[in-house]
Formats: sequence, structure tokens, C-alpha cells
Amino acid sequence: KQEVTQIPAALSVPEGENLVLNCSFTDSAIYNLQWFRQDPGKGLTSLLLIQSSQREQTSGRLNASLDKSSGRSTLYIAASQPGDSATYLCASHPDDYKLSFGAGTTVTVRA
Amino acid sequence: GAGVSQSPRYKVAKRGQDVALRCDPISGHVSLFWYQQALGQGPEFLTYFQNEAQLDKSGLPSDRFFAERPEGSVSTLKIQRTQQEDSAVYLCASSTRPNEAFFGQGTRLTVV
Repeated sequence: KQEVTQIPAALSVPEGENLVLNCSFTDSAIYNLQWFRQDPGKGLTSLLLIQSSQREQTSGRLNASLDKSSGRSTLYIAASQPGDSATYLCASHPDDYKLSFGAGTTVTVRA
Repeated sequence: GAGVSQSPRYKVAKRGQDVALRCDPISGHVSLFWYQQALGQGPEFLTYFQNEAQLDKSGLPSDRFFAERPEGSVSTLKIQRTQQEDSAVYLCASSTRPNEAFFGQGTRLTVV
């Protein structure tokens, strides 16, 4: 079974600082790697999807990298803002439909 | 609709009671998924439908859990004889393409 681990579990930074969130997975035979955002009481919003043949994806201030050989992905958020406060979940696709999630990193950006 | 809709948003059940959780997927979405998210944890896969066919139910934790999607649209997750360990947020997601699931806001189930 695919195991996904996220470190750290929680992170608090002052506004403007860059964020680095780490994700590791045990089975490198993944289809894709995806990062989600979850706000309290709400569902999950997809941020970035990295296909297994890619090494990174970028969207605005967000950049995610994927290293399948080491079983790691990193989400970078540049110039953090209070609105970035949320829980960020990493999920691997062990097949073409199912998601295996990590427990998430809860981020607080202090104004 | 505009998004995946789940009802009720909150449910409190007494231990031993049966509950039914509803999911209205985005119109036209063929695939539908249920996940269970315990407090402080990531979502765990429960089951997957393609239209009305349940193609994977490997994540259902026990035979007390049952899901259906009889007409290939609305889905219901039923939990019989609820227990305290069933307390969690139940998330539904739908998609038209693999790896592009849209999630609902979830139903928070509390078993007392």
C-alpha cells in the first residue's frame, strides 16, 4: 500500500516569507502527484498536478517538484500571504483513479 | 450544478443508529468517489463508481458500510449500526477524467 508522509505537520511563518512543504511516498510507481488545499469546513481544492513524466509544475506563486526516484515532492509558495493559511495535502495516484493522501501540513501565515 | 453537493453537512448519530449520506455530483461526471477523513488525517479512499457500476470498494472498512449509485448520478453512502470510530468527515468527489476530481464540502459525522 502506498504510504504518503508530509513534514512538517504544522508551520507558522510571517507574511512575505517563502514556504517549503515536503511530501514523501513509498512506491515510486505512481501515475501522478497532486497537491491540494483544504480550508476548515470545506472540501479540497486542487492546486497542482504533476504527471509522472514531469519534474515540476508552476502556477503563479506556487511551484511543485517531483523526484520519483527518491519518492519526494516539494511544494514551494513564494511570498506567502495571510490568505495562504490552510492545510496543504499531498496525494499520489497509485493508479489512474485512486488517491493516496498524506496527513497534511497546516500553514499559518502571520500578518 | 456548480459543484459537488453533499448533504447533510453535519450529522450526529447515536451509536447503533443507521445513517445515509448523500452526494450530488457535477452534472455529466461519470466517475464518483467516496473518501473518509478522520480528524487530523488525510482522506482515505473508500469506493469508486463509474456511472452506476461500483468498480472498487476495497476501502470500505467493514460490511457495515455500503454505497450505491443506482442511476449513475446521485450516490448514497450508508453506514449501519454506527460506532464511535465511524466519526469522520465523509468526502465525495466526481470527475470526467482520471486525476481531475472535484471534491464536495463533506459531511461531518459524529457518533455519540
